[in-house]
Order: sequence, then structure tokens, then C-alpha cells
Amino acid sequence: KAGVTQTPRYLIKTRGQQVTLSCSPISGHRSVSWYQQTPGQGLQFLFEYFSETQRNKGNFPGRFSGRQFSNSRSEMNVSTLELGDSALYLCASSLSGRNQETQYFGPGTRLLVL
Amino acid sequence: GQQVMQIPQYQHVQEGEDFTTYCNSSTTLSNIQWYKQRPGGHPVFLIQLVKSGEVKKQKRLTFQFGEAKKNSSLHITATQTTDVGTYFCAGRYGGSQGNLIFGKGTKLSVKP
Repeated sequence: KAGVTQTPRYLIKTRGQQVTLSCSPISGHRSVSWYQQTPGQGLQFLFEYFSETQRNKGNFPGRFSGRQFSNSRSEMNVSTLELGDSALYLCASSLSGRNQETQYFGPGTRLLVL
Repeated sequence: GQQVMQIPQYQHVQEGEDFTTYCNSSTTLSNIQWYKQRPGGHPVFLIQLVKSGEVKKQKRLTFQFGEAKKNSSLHITATQTTDVGTYFCAGRYGGSQGNLIFGKGTKLSVKP
């Protein structure tokens, strides 16, 4: 089975721009979660989608949004980029996002905001 | 809010020495997961602990979940250079759809 894939792998943007990141979960997985990883804050939960609905949301501003398509692929969007948004953005998939399920992480998209 | 504290932040050991990282939550966890992230890589799932007092082993790695389900530890016996990386614990609170709260991680370096 192919793992979680994320595109693009690397991205450079400037302040004020917006960006869209894509995540394709493992085949059959319907839950996709997004995380932001920075050296200072570590891994922080952004949001989780299941069956095209946002089911959980972390403590991030409204500039961070996401969506999930009927094939379970997910996108996250960050508008009006700030320097502090530079980070590794990871998505993770699981079968249904239930409490005891394993999450499988993708390789991440490394975003640099100049 | 809910937080998972992890210590130490860094650990430098000589190859062959043991290593332990600890995670603590102020409130009861539903379960806890452990991940390893190699330099430049992404977190890779190691194990999940669910039951109070649970102990699981994977070769040289021993994982424990406290009786009160508020703390957990990962112990590596006789470290090897391949153990290098950052080890994260991630806790889930309540419900069936609680999101994972990650500790800040312990970065392990092993000197050959």
C-alpha cells in the first residue's frame, strides 16, 4: 500500500501571499489530520477531517483552513502568510480517526515564508 | 488547555548507554502514542499504550503507561547510532475523536 503523500514537498512564499498544500491519505483511510511543526512550538494540531467534514480544530487563526474531498484527499490553505508560518506541515491519515487508531504521517511540506 | 510535558529536551549518550524519556499530563489520558522522527524525516509511529500500567516491549525499547494514565516513559537499552532522532509522545484525551497532543520531543544523539 502506498503511504501518505504530500505535495509540494518544498515551497517558498513571501509575506501576504497564500498557499495551498495537498495531502493524499493511504488508500481506504478516511480521516486526515494536519499538523504544524516548528522548532519552537513542536508539533501542533491544526484540524482533522473525516468524510469531508471538519471534525476537530486546533488553536490556530482563521487564516488556516482546510477541506476534504469525496476521495478523502485533503487540502489546507493558509492565507495572508506571515513569517511565523514557516514550518513543516504534516498530514496524517487513519482509517476513521477513532481514538485508538494509528496515524500514519506523510513526509510533510516544508514552507518557507520570506 | 491540555498539555503533554516531555523531558528531557535533549539527551546525549555514548553508544551502549541507556536512554529514557518521560511524558506527563496533568489530566488523565485516554491513550498515549510514541513516535520517532529521524533528522529530516517525518514522525513514524512506534507504539500505542491504552491500559493503565501497561508495559510493552519492542526489542531494546520498553514503553510504560502509568497507573493513573497521566504519565508514560520510553526506555532504550544499550543505545545504538541507529537510535538517533527525536522521540515524541502524543496523548489523547477522552472521547472517540480527540486530537493528538504532542509533547515537545526528546532529541537523542548517540556518540559512537
